[in-house]
Amino acid sequence: DGGITQSPKYLFRKEGQNVTLSCEQNLNHDAMYWYRQDPGQGLRLIYYSQIVNDFQKGDIAEGYSVSREKKESFPLTVTSAQKNPTAFYLCASSITAATYEQYFGPGTRLTVT
Amino acid sequence: QKEVEQNSGPLSVPEGAIASLNCTYSDRGSQSFFWYRQYSGKSPELIMFIYSNGDKEDGRFTAQLNKASQYVSLLIRDSQPSDSATYLCAVTGAGSYQLTFGKGTKLSVIP
Repeated sequence: DGGITQSPKYLFRKEGQNVTLSCEQNLNHDAMYWYRQDPGQGLRLIYYSQIVNDFQKGDIAEGYSVSREKKESFPLTVTSAQKNPTAFYLCASSITAATYEQYFGPGTRLTVT
Repeated sequence: QKEVEQNSGPLSVPEGAIASLNCTYSDRGSQSFFWYRQYSGKSPELIMFIYSNGDKEDGRFTAQLNKASQYVSLLIRDSQPSDSATYLCAVTGAGSYQLTFGKGTKLSVIP
């Protein structure tokens, strides 16, 4: 069964703690993306990766970090430097960066108190 | 700053009617246009994409693109209560792989 998995579905953390969100895909897609969505807002791009061992900042990268050591995996770390980390985090992938159709995982809802 | 504008709604239509969702974009060089459906609490699902001026039909869905007017729309024929969701418009910029999303239009199909 091909697809994108994100875990966990819900995540709760105390302020000041770093937290890592998992994203795995078995679609053999080269490109992967992280977005955040706030209530009533559109999706905003955090980071994207066109290929293994390469990634670029999106529009709101401050306070976040990523790695792309394997084609299948693109974990996102929300650091304590992120001012407003509570949000719905969505991972997506596409066949290549030039193939614009992006498909989303189920998302992780992060709450920081 | 690239912008994608959608009426937030809610747009209410009776079951069986045509729902018309609209989106305008600011970047005249935009090349690719997407419609995603997002149910409450769920992730977005790609339902249509269009790259050329004109209409593209897929089942009950029709995407319409007018690059001169910087306007893209989604028509849903024979609307069903299961179509009730928020519809997100997304656009790529000129020479960019990044998608810019609108805030979405909430559609409610009344039985």
